[in-house]
Formats: sequence, structure tokens, C-alpha cells
Amino acid sequence: QQQVKQSPQSLIVQKGGIPIINCAYENTAFDYFPWYQQFPGKGPALLIAIRPDVSEKKEGRFTISFNKSAKQFSLHIMDSQPGDSATYFCAASQSGNTGKLIFGQGTTLQVKP
Amino acid sequence: DAGVIQSPRHEVTEMGQEVTLRCKPISGHNSLFWYRQTMMRGLELLIYFNNNVPIDDSGMPEDRFSAKMPNASFSTLKIQPSEPRDSAVYFCASSFRGLGGELFFGEGSRLTVL
Repeated sequence: QQQVKQSPQSLIVQKGGIPIINCAYENTAFDYFPWYQQFPGKGPALLIAIRPDVSEKKEGRFTISFNKSAKQFSLHIMDSQPGDSATYFCAASQSGNTGKLIFGQGTTLQVKP
Repeated sequence: DAGVIQSPRHEVTEMGQEVTLRCKPISGHNSLFWYRQTMMRGLELLIYFNNNVPIDDSGMPEDRFSAKMPNASFSTLKIQPSEPRDSAVYFCASSFRGLGGELFFGEGSRLTVL
């Protein structure tokens, strides 16, 4: 019940495409859902996060869509660029424990020029 | 401002040796986390501290692993004795509880146990 399942494992898109990464969770106590971006040789860095009181959040070209009833959330990258090539992790945690993040398995994204 | 600082960045050791990984969190942060990253298991939380006190060590694989946080600016993760299956990238992260939960990760320590 603590798992966060992420798909796909890898993704290749052309520049300008809209990659979509999906995550699903079981624990209904989770109420904080961040996405982290990791470049090779670096630690993950927070990209965008959402709480279940909203169904969508946009920050620049990055959008999180959240479906509370389905216990699913997804990341969309608009107008993707080669510089977006990285590994993306979804995560989840519950209030009072916001640091104890449970991470998905990660999606390696390649954006071709 | 300096981010989370980890050392060493790379460590190669032989099976049975003791390994100590070090972490300096961001000044002012009151929570510190140790994660392990492998291809097979992804990012796993090993242990985390609030105000220097270990809160949850349920992710520590076995007694060979131990972690300490003697003060707010320093933490260690020790593996004794090390085994080849401990080979991974170990990340330290810090946060300030009450600021929405953002974790700030270091660049990691890549451990290879031969």
C-alpha cells in the first residue's frame, strides 16, 4: 500500500512533443505529490508538486494532472526540449510526514532534436 | 548558499571493509534523509532524522547499516562490513518541515563494493 507505481519506464519524443508520465498510488492518506527531475550524476531536484485539493497545476511548460478518485496523477511536458532529457520521478507522502517521500521507479525521458 | 554537501563522491572498496558516507545539510534545515538509488529498486528511503533525532529507520536494510546525526550540520551513514550488494548511489537530502516538504538532495556518493 506504500507503493507508487510509475510508467512508462522510458520514453522518447521529438522536440516539441508532449511526453506524459503516469503514476498511481494506493494509500489514500497520501496528500502531497511532487515530481522530481534528475540529470546524470546529480541528485533529484523538485520540479513541481500538487496537493489533492486541486486537479491541475501548471508551472511553465510542466503540468500535473491529479485524479483523486482514480488515485492517479501525471506529468505533462509541453513543447519538450532536448534539455528536458532526464529521469523523472513521481513521489507521494502524507501530512505530518512530508519528508518521507515514497518514490516511483522513474522514467527516463529522451527528447530528440 | 551551498546546497547539501556529500562526501566522498565516489568510493571503491573491497567486501568486508567499513564504509562511512558523510553529509552536511543545508543550514537551517531540520530534517535529514538518507536515500539509496539502484537500477533495480529505484530510490529507497533508508532513514530520516528530525532535529537530529532518528524518526524512522525502517528502510535500513540490516544491522550492517547505521546512521548518526551528532549535530544539526553533520550526519554519517556507515556500512560495516560492506558487501557487493551494497553498491549503489547514496543520497543525502535535507528539508525544513513546514515549508511544504521540498527535499534538497546532494549530488550523491557512488559506492562500489568489489
